[in-house]
Amino acid sequence: AQSVTQLDSQVPVFEEAPVELRCNYSSSVSVYLFWYVQYPNQGLQLLLKYLSGSTLVESINGFEAEFNKSQTSFHLRKPSVHISDTAEYFCAVIIAQGGSEKLVFGKGTKLTVNP
Amino acid sequence: SAVISQKPSRDICQRGTSLTIQCQVDSQVTMMFWYRQQPGQSLTLIATANQGSEATYESGFVIDKFPISRPNLTFSTLTVSNMSPEDSSIYLCSVDVAGTQYFGPGTRLLVL
Repeated sequence: AQSVTQLDSQVPVFEEAPVELRCNYSSSVSVYLFWYVQYPNQGLQLLLKYLSGSTLVESINGFEAEFNKSQTSFHLRKPSVHISDTAEYFCAVIIAQGGSEKLVFGKGTKLTVNP
Repeated sequence: SAVISQKPSRDICQRGTSLTIQCQVDSQVTMMFWYRQQPGQSLTLIATANQGSEATYESGFVIDKFPISRPNLTFSTLTVSNMSPEDSSIYLCSVDVAGTQYFGPGTRLLVL
């Protein structure tokens, strides 16, 4: 079974519009959840993470994500996007497998912000 | 966090040749990982490389094709051997710091 699912492969929005990138995880995995961002032709950067504590986590550039245990979701939101937010966003979860833990990624959501 | 550099940043190679990718971290870390990101795809873990032990490979990846070295706590190499066009990908190294993985900038490989 898929450990983490990103339902939207592409999300086009206009500048200053709100956006939500959806991520659902399998209830059988741990609740260590991450969002990574990959800007065009660049490597992967950690955007935010949930390990414990407050279910709402924020990044320094205005994104936030809420861990929702009942809905097994960790959706990423921003109230007003900029053109510079155009990138691919990956949701990831830690799973325990074969006595070790590994990071498993969703298939990614390409966010395109248009003027 | 950790600052990670990779060399080369990109390369174009002929089929049948091999390429060694280097990963350098600015601090000592126990766990390092190598991932592959094929065009338009998400990241797939190739192997976990812990210093002082053999690398652990994921299903579908073998040591003969992707030999890994981990000589110390700040450095690792991944070799892509006997390359074919299907090996064209971005290869990323990653380190675990307090339960969070940080990634290098990636090595973009094109095999002709």
